[in-house]
Amino acid sequence: GQQLNQSPQSMFIQEGEDVSMNCTSSSIFNTWLWYKQDPGEGPVLLIALYKAGELTSNGRLTAQFGITRKDSFLNISASIPSDVGIYFCAGRTGANNLFFGTGTRLTVIP
Amino acid sequence: GAVVSQHPSWVICKSGTSVKIECRSLDFQATTMFWYRQFPKQSLMLMATSNEGSKATYEQGVEKDKFLINHASLTLSTLTVTSAHPEDSSFYICSARESTSGDPMKQYFGPGTRLTVT
Repeated sequence: GQQLNQSPQSMFIQEGEDVSMNCTSSSIFNTWLWYKQDPGEGPVLLIALYKAGELTSNGRLTAQFGITRKDSFLNISASIPSDVGIYFCAGRTGANNLFFGTGTRLTVIP
Repeated sequence: GAVVSQHPSWVICKSGTSVKIECRSLDFQATTMFWYRQFPKQSLMLMATSNEGSKATYEQGVEKDKFLINHASLTLSTLTVTSAHPEDSSFYICSARESTSGDPMKQYFGPGTRLTVT
């Protein structure tokens, strides 16, 4: 399957700091998605990006669809303790083909 | 938002037995359902895609005779792990897509089922 690499693998930050993580692939995707997964739960969609270059915000979250269509980043501003979790990027080529990244584990220290 | 449920949330079974996991869309009709597997500290890997009333499409490397998928109605899909072995222990997550929409905003994930095979 497709390989999506996320970096960093894990982050430890102080509450209130901004966070940035990215996702790269050797393949082109038509849609980029960012999910958050809490322990023992399924992933929840945070942001969907549909066009190369698109920049979209959802509250304190901002994500961009790279112009090469092979990468995306997610920023979280002013982090809070409930931001803790694993963040996954996902790329989609067709209606059914959704490939997940390797994940970034975020820890927020109060 | 739309809700997808899974049952059971966790199950322990003995090696060689079969386990059935249910996935239900509670407040919408799901033409397409997806089954993922997630090993500890790893990403979600798509196992199969099922359309209501049709045979499931399995990803490369996933044994269709071992992981039986039945999508008998627009609100229910089941995954049966047959003759389970310890290496099948994993977190199984289903996802349901609302009607015929290809919009990822209309694809919802269940809470997962943790399977432990002893």
